[in-house]
Amino acid sequence: GAGVSQTPSNKVTEKGKYVELRCDPISGHTALYWYRQSLGQGPEFLIYFQGTGAADDSGLPNDRFFAVRPEGSVSTLKIQRTERGDSAVYLCASSSDLGGDTDTQYFGPGTRLTVL
Amino acid sequence: QKEVEQNSGPLSVPEGAIASLNCTYSDRGSQSFFWYRQYSGKSPELIMFIYSNGDKEDGRFTAQLNKASQYVSLLIRDSQPSDSATYLCAGKDFGNEKLTFGTGTRLTIIP
Repeated sequence: GAGVSQTPSNKVTEKGKYVELRCDPISGHTALYWYRQSLGQGPEFLIYFQGTGAADDSGLPNDRFFAVRPEGSVSTLKIQRTERGDSAVYLCASSSDLGGDTDTQYFGPGTRLTVL
Repeated sequence: QKEVEQNSGPLSVPEGAIASLNCTYSDRGSQSFFWYRQYSGKSPELIMFIYSNGDKEDGRFTAQLNKASQYVSLLIRDSQPSDSATYLCAGKDFGNEKLTFGTGTRLTIIP
């Protein structure tokens, strides 16, 4: 595809429910990132994949959050037992990760998650 | 705690003037810096990056980096109403792929 795509664009759920958010990176990009952006804040790093493996998951807030990228392309962010504080826009980004410090991360449109 | 700090604004600039956006960072390990523009309800889009001390120009945009002062700035010349957006500064450490963002500065260009 032309850019990073994310589905759904909006997700409303009830407290305690399980949700899955999907990210489809730019074709050929080996690196994939998840960020979370709350209102009035900058994006906050959650996890980074290089290929199929999570190279850095230091930003995941707790064990309710989990992400996978089984075939090195599409990734799914999974949130168990959602809490109202999980409400935010979840952004996915991808990069070619050629090894330079200036690899550009291209962001998708985000999924707005609302936990009631 | 690695931090990137920005004045949240709002910053109002007359059309045609120079808009100056500033960012400071606390981690001397930060090597590369990125300026993203984010329109309301949209995702961040990259304007430019800088990793060497000094100035880097791209069209109407100039990024400035001063590693000794741990300071990054973005200048927008001949500001247009379409430049009205939130500008996010992000830093990246050498060998580390994650971006650390500031809270963003909301810029309004007044026609």
